[in-house]
Order: sequence, then structure tokens, then C-alpha cells
Amino acid sequence: KAGVTQTPRYLIKTRGQQVTLSCSPISGHRSVSWYQQTPGQGLQFLFEYFSETQRNKGNFPGRFSGRQFSNSRSEMNVSTLELGDSALYLCASSREGGTSYNEQFFGPGTRLTVL
Amino acid sequence: AQKVTQAQTEISVVEKEDVTLDCVYETRDTTYYLFWYKQPPSGELVFLIRRNSFDEQNEISGRYSWNFQKSTSSFNFTITASQVVDSAVYFCALSEESRDDKIIFGKGTRLHILP
Repeated sequence: KAGVTQTPRYLIKTRGQQVTLSCSPISGHRSVSWYQQTPGQGLQFLFEYFSETQRNKGNFPGRFSGRQFSNSRSEMNVSTLELGDSALYLCASSREGGTSYNEQFFGPGTRLTVL
Repeated sequence: AQKVTQAQTEISVVEKEDVTLDCVYETRDTTYYLFWYKQPPSGELVFLIRRNSFDEQNEISGRYSWNFQKSTSSFNFTITASQVVDSAVYFCALSEESRDDKIIFGKGTRLHILP
């Protein structure tokens, strides 16, 4: 069974640009969550999508957005990039919604560098 | 306030030694969930355990064991007879029912197992 895949694995952008990251969950999983990992702030929850609806959202500005498609694949978009957005972005999938109740399976992450 | 503290930033032990990773949490909820994740050098987080606030039983899984003590708000993780493959960053995390599963991670403990 294929794991969670994230594309691209590495990305370099400049300030002010926007970026879209993609996550394909494990087959049969309906929930996708996104996390940002930086050396300073650590691992932070961005949002969770379940059945194409945003189920929950962390404390991030509106520049961070996402969506989920009918096949459960999810995209995350960051607009007007700032230097501080440089991070490892991790995606996780689970069978059902709710990070408390369901084991999450993580992808390898997308390393975003903003210059 | 919801908070997870992993006071040990980095630990080094020689292979076959036992090592305990500390986790202290703060919450006002009576219903909450605690987690441990492992992040090897590849970057993908690996789920290790979930414990809800009503289940204080300690758990053992092979060389791994967890000690949950509500009285001291701690959820410590012990690796017995450590192996080089245990080298990774370990994260403790908390989610509260009242916060709709917004999981919060500790800063992580980087564990080095020396051959």
C-alpha cells in the first residue's frame, strides 16, 4: 500500500511569490492535515480537511489556505511569501477526521525555501 | 493554556543503554489526548502511541514503554536497550477535546544513540 506522497519535495521561491504544495493521502483515507515545521517555532498545525471541508484550522494568517478534492488529495497554498515561511511542510492522512482519534500517517514533507 | 514541554533538547547515550524522554503538559481540559511521534533523519513523522486522559495505564511495546502520570502531568517515554536506529527526534504532543483536535507539539528531543 503506497504511503502519503508530497510534491514537490523541494522548492525555492522568492518573497512575494505564491506557492502550491500537493499531498496525496493513503488510499481510503479521507482526512488530510498539514503542518509547518521550523527550527524556531517547531511543529505547528496548519489545518485539517475531511471530505473536502476544512474541519479545523491552526493560528496562521489568511495567506495560508488549502483545499481538498473529491479523491481526498489536498493542496496547500501560501500567497505573498515571506522569509519566515521557509519551512518543512508536512502532510498527514488518516481514515477519518479528527487528529485526536485517528492515527495519522505522515508524508516526507516539502522543504520550502524563500529567498 | 495548552502547552507541551520537552525540557531535554538533546540526549546522547551509548547503544544498549536505557533512555527516558520527558514530557510535561499543561491543560485545563479533563478530556485530552497525548501522543509520541518519532522523526528519523528522513523527515517523516512516525506515530508511536496515543493515550487519552482517562487511561493512565502504562504501556509497553517491545523496547518502548510509556509512563502516564496525571498527578504530575507527565507522559514520559523510555527506550530500553537502545539501538542506533533509535536515533531520531522525538515529539510529544497534546490535543484537547475543547480545542477541536488542534494538536500542539513539544519542541522535540533529539536522541543520539552512539555505537
